[in-house]
Amino acid sequence: DAKTTQPPSMDCAEGRAANLPCNHSTISGNEYVYWYRQIHSQGPQYIIHGLKNNETNEMASLIITEDRKSSTLILPHATLRDTAVYYCIAATGANSKLTFGKGITLSVRP
Amino acid sequence: EPEVTQTPSHQVTQMGQEVILRCVPISNHLYFYWYRQILGQKVEFLVSFYNNEISEKSEIFDDQFSVERPDGSNFTLKIRSTKLEDSAMYFCASSTQGASNEKLFFGSGTQLSVL
Repeated sequence: DAKTTQPPSMDCAEGRAANLPCNHSTISGNEYVYWYRQIHSQGPQYIIHGLKNNETNEMASLIITEDRKSSTLILPHATLRDTAVYYCIAATGANSKLTFGKGITLSVRP
Repeated sequence: EPEVTQTPSHQVTQMGQEVILRCVPISNHLYFYWYRQILGQKVEFLVSFYNNEISEKSEIFDDQFSVERPDGSNFTLKIRSTKLEDSAMYFCASSTQGASNEKLFFGSGTQLSVL
C-alpha cells in the first residue's frame, strides 16, 4: 500500500470549513483513498473514500487531484464534535488490511 | 446505523492467563477483522477473516493469537498466554466486501490490561 503523509495537527474555528490535506505521491492506479477518524479512544469511524473522482456524502467531501498524488478532506461546517484524529489511508486488494498512520489531529475551537 | 458490538469493554487479566475477546459483527457482513491500539500509538492490523479462514495476518498475530467464528454471529480473538505488551485497546471490525472497496465498521473496543 502506498504511504500517505499528513501534517501532525491543525485547527479551525467552529462553523468554518476544515480542509485536511494528504499526500500519497506513490499511490498506484488501483488504490483507493480512504479517510477515517478516531474520536478519543473510540473505534475508527469511516468518513469517505474515492478512487479518481471527487466524492461527497453527508459527512464530508473528498477532493482528489487529477494526478492522484494528493487529496483533501473537507468538513464543510466543523463542529466541536469533529475534534478527532483523521487518518488518510491508501488501500487496495480484494481483502486488504488498512494501514493506519499517525493521522492529523484536528482541533475545532469555539 | 448498524453497529459492531464488543464485549467486555474492559478486561483485566494476569500475565500468562488466557483471554477471549468477543465481537458481534453486523449481521450481513462477510469480512471480519481485529485491530489493536497500544496507548498513544497507531492503530495496528492484526488479522482478517473471511469464509471461515484467516485471509491475512500481521507479524503481531503469532501463535499466541487465534480467531474463531464459533457460530453465525460471534467473532472471537483468543490470546493464549497474555504478556504485559498485549495491553492495548482491541477493535473488531466488519465489512460486506474487502477493505479496499468498502467501508469498515469498527466496534467501540475492548481495553485489555495485563498485570
